Amino acid sequence: GESVGLHLPTLSVQEGDNSIINCAYSNSASDYFIWYKQESGKGPQFIIDIRSNMDKRQGQRVTVLLNKTVKHLSLQIAATQPGDSAVYFCADTYQKVTFGTGTKLQVIP
Amino acid sequence: DTEVTQTPKHLVMGMTNKKSLKCEQHMGHRAMYWYKQKAKKPPELMFVYSYEKLSINESVPSRFSPECPNSSLLNLHLHALQPEDSALYLCASSGGTSGRATYNEQFFGPGTRLTVL
Repeated sequence: GESVGLHLPTLSVQEGDNSIINCAYSNSASDYFIWYKQESGKGPQFIIDIRSNMDKRQGQRVTVLLNKTVKHLSLQIAATQPGDSAVYFCADTYQKVTFGTGTKLQVIP
Repeated sequence: DTEVTQTPKHLVMGMTNKKSLKCEQHMGHRAMYWYKQKAKKPPELMFVYSYEKLSINESVPSRFSPECPNSSLLNLHLHALQPEDSALYLCASSGGTSGRATYNEQFFGPGTRLTVL
């Protein structure tokens, strides 16, 4: 069946460095993706989204890149801070919302 | 108000109990969702309500019974649960302004941590 998955389950980054979290999807018809951040004990929080008519979208310290050719998207966090420590999920919203397996980001002070 | 609230925050119940989880939003969203999340796993979709009608049931066992009394409220009635149903239950809502209710950012509540003994 269709799936959305992540390459790395855990990512450790030094404070101040940039973080890159990757996600692969398999449904070529998927046209809208969301990145969520989930801190311990909380529900997922929207970070940024991207539609399939775009290759790149920037927010505050975050950038999402979409490569439809290889069905891959990534979340880039600039100048990673301790408050960025969380689990990050990509989500594919085609027909229903399907979350990827998640990447735990650990920021080393 | 851009918040989704859920009650209770924690719930412990026996396998013969009947309980309900409640979710509320006042953002005018017309799509509401229930998710189940086990530890270190992504949320798994259970139900979707679109304009107060059940539009998606992800083959959830009948011991889980959703209800949408109005556009702001979503309940999940629990009966005869099993220990493996212990999880974080998340409610979410999204605007349904396009033809596809899920085609928008979902706002999540903090969840109800359910333990079934």
